[in-house]
Formats: sequence, structure tokens, C-alpha cells
Amino acid sequence: GENVEQHPSTLSVQEGDSAVIKCTYSDSASNYFPWYKQELGKRPQLIIDIRSNVGEKKDQRIAVTLNKTAKHFSLHITETQPEDSAVYFCAAVRSGSARQLTFGSGTQLTVLP
Amino acid sequence: EAGVVQSPRYKIIEKKQPVAFWCNPISGHNTLYWYLQNLGQGPELLIRYENEEAVDDSQLPKDRFSAERLKGVDSTLKIQPAELGDSAVYLCASSLGSGRANTGELFFGEGSRLTVL
Repeated sequence: GENVEQHPSTLSVQEGDSAVIKCTYSDSASNYFPWYKQELGKRPQLIIDIRSNVGEKKDQRIAVTLNKTAKHFSLHITETQPEDSAVYFCAAVRSGSARQLTFGSGTQLTVLP
Repeated sequence: EAGVVQSPRYKIIEKKQPVAFWCNPISGHNTLYWYLQNLGQGPELLIRYENEEAVDDSQLPKDRFSAERLKGVDSTLKIQPAELGDSAVYLCASSLGSGRANTGELFFGEGSRLTVL
């Protein structure tokens, strides 16, 4: 099955700086890579996703890049704000398959004011 | 549109007692998932339903856990008897489509936090 590794487990940045979270996956057939944000005591919410037919996707201050050859993908948050503080999870799956989404172990991002 | 609704939000029980969690997915979402989330970790799949059929329950500890989705809409997850190690958040999620039509995008409920004393 799929194995997703996520680094770092914790990340502290100053407000206004950028944050980068990296994930690697094992199954070369995976083609859908979402990122979820989970605030303390709240539900995980999808913030951005990318499919394997593109290498980069951007939505305002967040972007995701995908390197299919190396089997890794990254989340980039620019101009970080205190409200970006949360746990971020990456995930991977081959959509349309019988497999389930496999999540990384999460990154606790803290944006310091 | 209402999101995924779960109840109860919090439950405290003594070990060996039974407990049940309920989930109402987003209307029209064929696929429903129950995930287990331990503190500081990512969600781990317990069971996945496509309509009323459990298509992946390989991670469900069947000696004490059971689930059902009788009419292909609401679902319940039961633990009997509960053990100390079952303390966790139980997340329900749903997605549009099933099988090859499953988009893969999950919508989560707020979760049910279980504490077993």
C-alpha cells in the first residue's frame, strides 16, 4: 500500500516569512495529493490539492509543487499570518481506485507574531 | 449546505462500556469513511463505505468495533467493549462518487472525541 512521510513534524516561523512542508510517497500510481489544515479541536479542511498532470498549483498565499519522478510534493505558504498556525497534513491516493487516502503524520506550524 | 455532521462531539466512558458514534454525510456523497485520529497523528482509516457496502474494512478491529450504513446514508460506528487505548478522535468523512468516480476529495466532520477511563 501507499506510505506517506511528512517533514518536519514541527515548524515555527516569524509572521511574514514563508513556510515549506515536504512529503514523499511510495506508490508511483498515486495521482491525487491533497493538503489538509486542522486547527486545534477542529475538523481537517482541504486547503489545496494537486493532481499528477500538473507540477504546480497556486491559490493566493499557498502553493503546492509535485515532482512525480522523485515522488515528493511540497506545500508552500508565503507571507505567513498567525491564523496560519495549525497542523497540516499531506495525503496521497490513486483516485478512482479501491484504495484509500493515506495521510502523512502532520506538521504543527506555529507562526510567531 | 450542511457539512458532515457527527455526534456526540465528546464522550467519556469507563472501560468495558459500549459506545456508539453517528455520522450524517453530505447529501449526495456516496462514499463514507470512518477515521481514527490519535493526538499528534494523521487520520487512519477504519472503514470505507460505498453506498451501503463496506468496501474496505481491513483496518477495523472486528473483535470490538462494528459499523453499519444500512440505507447508504447515515452511519454508526460502535465499540463494545471499549478499552483504554481506544481514547481518540473518531472522524467521519464523505466524498462524492464511488469507485472510479470517486474524486478523492474528503469532507470531514468535526469528530467525536472519546475518552475511556
